[in-house]
Amino acid sequence: EPEVTQTPSHQVTQMGQEVILRCVPISNHLYFYWYRQILGQKVEFLVSFYNNEISEKSEIFDDQFSVERPDGSNFTLKIRSTKLEDSAMYFCASSEPTVGDSLYEQYFGPGTRLTVT
Amino acid sequence: RKEVEQDPGPFNVPEGATVAFNCTYSNSASQSFFWYRQDCRKEPKLLMSVYSSGNEDGRFTAQLNRASQYISLLIRDSKLSDSATYLCVVITTGRRALTFGSGTRLQVQP
Repeated sequence: EPEVTQTPSHQVTQMGQEVILRCVPISNHLYFYWYRQILGQKVEFLVSFYNNEISEKSEIFDDQFSVERPDGSNFTLKIRSTKLEDSAMYFCASSEPTVGDSLYEQYFGPGTRLTVT
Repeated sequence: RKEVEQDPGPFNVPEGATVAFNCTYSNSASQSFFWYRQDCRKEPKLLMSVYSSGNEDGRFTAQLNRASQYISLLIRDSKLSDSATYLCVVITTGRRALTFGSGTRLQVQP
């Protein structure tokens, strides 16, 4: 069964450093997403990406965040200057394009646990 | 008011029991509804989509009441492996972002 993969599984970084989280979405999917979950809190949407551009973003996704699809398989989330409060689990997700269907099922990767010290 | 509200639980039930979770959503423009399950420190996994007419998948039944803005999940014949947090998720019309509830924790006991 195809699945979303993410690397690394755990990233430790110092405050102010840049980090890049990587994801390989399911191969025939065209919509890609990043979510985060701070420990003990709910999953929160960050950004969605389609056709090589951001299609939607939340208030959390400020100027320190960026996303990129550098090649045909990878999808990355970059945090330019990490803060302590960026410590969280970051999940990548992907979904198929749907035509005439209102259900947009998203499949999640195993996540990258980011610890900012 | 939270966009998606769930009773956090925990619900402690014996194996074989039937358990029901409820969820309410505040945005009447919500158009798509899902139940995900999440094991401790793992990713959310899609359990089932929720259709307007209600739908069943094995031991799991989901219902949607658009008038009351209410979604439910019924689990019959609970197994130990059903122990997890169950997340109610909605999508608003015109968007693709998933909005998650905080989840309801289920613990099935032998």
